[in-house]
Amino acid sequence: DVKVTQSSRYLVKRTGEKVFLECVQDMDHENMFWYRQDPGLGLRLIYFSYDVKMKEKGDIPEGYSVSREKKERFSLILESASTNQTSMYLCASSQPVGVGGYTFGSGTRLTVV
Amino acid sequence: LAKTTQPISMDSYEGQEVNITCSHNNIATNDYITWYQQFPSQGPRFIIQGYKTKVTNEVASLFIPADRKSSTLSLPRVSLSDTAVYYCLVGDPGGKIIFGKGTRLHILP
Repeated sequence: DVKVTQSSRYLVKRTGEKVFLECVQDMDHENMFWYRQDPGLGLRLIYFSYDVKMKEKGDIPEGYSVSREKKERFSLILESASTNQTSMYLCASSQPVGVGGYTFGSGTRLTVV
Repeated sequence: LAKTTQPISMDSYEGQEVNITCSHNNIATNDYITWYQQFPSQGPRFIIQGYKTKVTNEVASLFIPADRKSSTLSLPRVSLSDTAVYYCLVGDPGGKIIFGKGTRLHILP
């Protein structure tokens, strides 16, 4: 079964820490995305990538960066975690001409204390 | 990116057919229409995708009129496990897409 795997299901970090959220897909997809989801705000796009070493800002990139050194792996980095980054983080991947749409991971619930 | 409008919530009963309509008046020529389902504490799951007319798979049907300014997701004979949030999205199906608030579907016994 093809899938998108996020490294942690739950994570608790302290304010100011550098946090790495990892996402790996086994479908040879070109495109990868990071969203965060908060009650009442829905899913918001943070960053996306259409190719290795390529990245594009989404709607809310402030406080985040990403890394895509290999096609199958897309990492989200919180440079200095803050409490307002407490959220559910969702990674997704897709083909360029995306028949079949996105495949999402199960999510990482991050709490910053 | 085309904006979509769908009902905030809907209730239905087990065994009924449920139709959720989404309007997307400024859909572009190259845009596809894609629907996702999301359960609490899980990532959204792809349900169905279409460009025009009707598409059917083992889970749902998608009806798209000729002007493509709206679409209707049809779920046949729903069960309690179909209680979820359903998102309608319009755009390049593999590219950047923006999620709206979705429709919260509640199935009653």
